[in-house]
Amino acid sequence: GDSVTQMEGPVTLSEEAFLTINCTYTATGYPSLFWYVQYPGEGLQLLLKATKADDKGSNKGFEATYRKETTSFHLEKGSVQVSDSAVYFCALISNGNQFYFGTGTSLTVIP
Amino acid sequence: DTGVSQDPRHKITKRGQNVTFRCDPISEHNRLYWYRQTLGQGPEFLTYFQNEAQLEKSRLLSDRFSAERPKGSFSTLEIQRTEQGDSAMYLCASSNSVNTGELFFGEGSRLTVL
Repeated sequence: GDSVTQMEGPVTLSEEAFLTINCTYTATGYPSLFWYVQYPGEGLQLLLKATKADDKGSNKGFEATYRKETTSFHLEKGSVQVSDSAVYFCALISNGNQFYFGTGTSLTVIP
Repeated sequence: DTGVSQDPRHKITKRGQNVTFRCDPISEHNRLYWYRQTLGQGPEFLTYFQNEAQLEKSRLLSDRFSAERPKGSFSTLEIQRTEQGDSAMYLCASSNSVNTGELFFGEGSRLTVL
């Protein structure tokens, strides 16, 4: 079945460091891929998405490229800020209407 | 505020009791989802409505769980004869059929079963 595997955390970085959170997927069909973010005390919200191979999603300085050949959708940011501290979830939707989420990666950015 | 709202935010109950959670989606959204999230895990799909029709249910949803969306607006999730293993965060999300790629989540209802 469809599934998402993402890098386990927690991840702690200094401000302005480079961030990568790995995500790989297994899916039947042609999935759309997402990154959701959950800030402390808030609900999950969409960060970025890509709907087909080689698409790059971007938002708030974060980027992720849909790589069909490696079944990956790694999240990157060149320079993290304290305000980026949150839990990040990789997700996919394939043929059905179910979203499949990864287990989440907690990021803490220290000044 | 026109976001997704859930009520109650936190419910503590004794094992064997019934509990009900309510979700009010964004008004123009015709799709509504329920997810369950436990500590250190991502959201797990429970069930999905398009308007008032329940179109999909996860195998995780035992017969003690029932969900309704009677008029295609708000939804309720009831858990009967609660067990300690039901302790989790229950998340509601909505979307519209034009942009099914984005789910709008509520802040969740946390259930603690003693």
